[in-house]
Amino acid sequence: AQSVTQLGSHVSVSEGALVLLRCNYSSSVPPYLFWYVQYPNQGLQLLLKYTTGATLVKGINGFEAEFKKSETSFHLTKPSAHMSDAAEYFCAVSDPFTGGGNKLTFGTGTQLKVEL
Amino acid sequence: DADVTQTPRNRITKTGKRIMLECSQTKGHDRMYWYRQDPGLGLQLIYYSFDVKDINKGEISDGYSVSRQAQAKFSLSLESAIPNQTALYFCATSDDEKNTEAFFGQGTRLTVV
Repeated sequence: AQSVTQLGSHVSVSEGALVLLRCNYSSSVPPYLFWYVQYPNQGLQLLLKYTTGATLVKGINGFEAEFKKSETSFHLTKPSAHMSDAAEYFCAVSDPFTGGGNKLTFGTGTQLKVEL
Repeated sequence: DADVTQTPRNRITKTGKRIMLECSQTKGHDRMYWYRQDPGLGLQLIYYSFDVKDINKGEISDGYSVSRQAQAKFSLSLESAIPNQTALYFCATSDDEKNTEAFFGQGTRLTVV
């Protein structure tokens, strides 16, 4: 069974500061990895994903994440936070081998607050 | 128009009532999913369907049922609603490729009183 752990249910940063949201996973095989963002009263929107290939992936809005197999991590970063980044962020994994490649297992989410 | 549309967006219902949440998509995807979101728990998979004739239980299917009326429509039913089914419900779709992402609707906020 897969699981996802997001450290820190709430993260607060100053505008212009580095954003670092942590995600660790547990899986018997290297999974596909996703970061989704949820703005208030909206559905989830894909930020970025890792499936194969380059382990550093770039997404929308200046976010990027690096897949580190040895650390079973997929942390999300952004060099400079903007007020519009305030939202809830979810890390998710899927198993590439069981036929349900898009059945996602989600972390519990991290609420990002950006302060002036 | 949204690619994945959920109706209603908000609903308050009484304990014991039957309620149906509807989802339709215009992306032409075969795969559709229902998730439930609770504060502090993330999203959990209720049911999923890989095509019109294929429906499967997810992690938390007890108390729920689904119907795949067409490729584009996937509805979730609560046969007898209970207060702990109060949550935000999301429908999602994806295509058949395993490495592609899911596309989510805007959610239905359900309150059972």
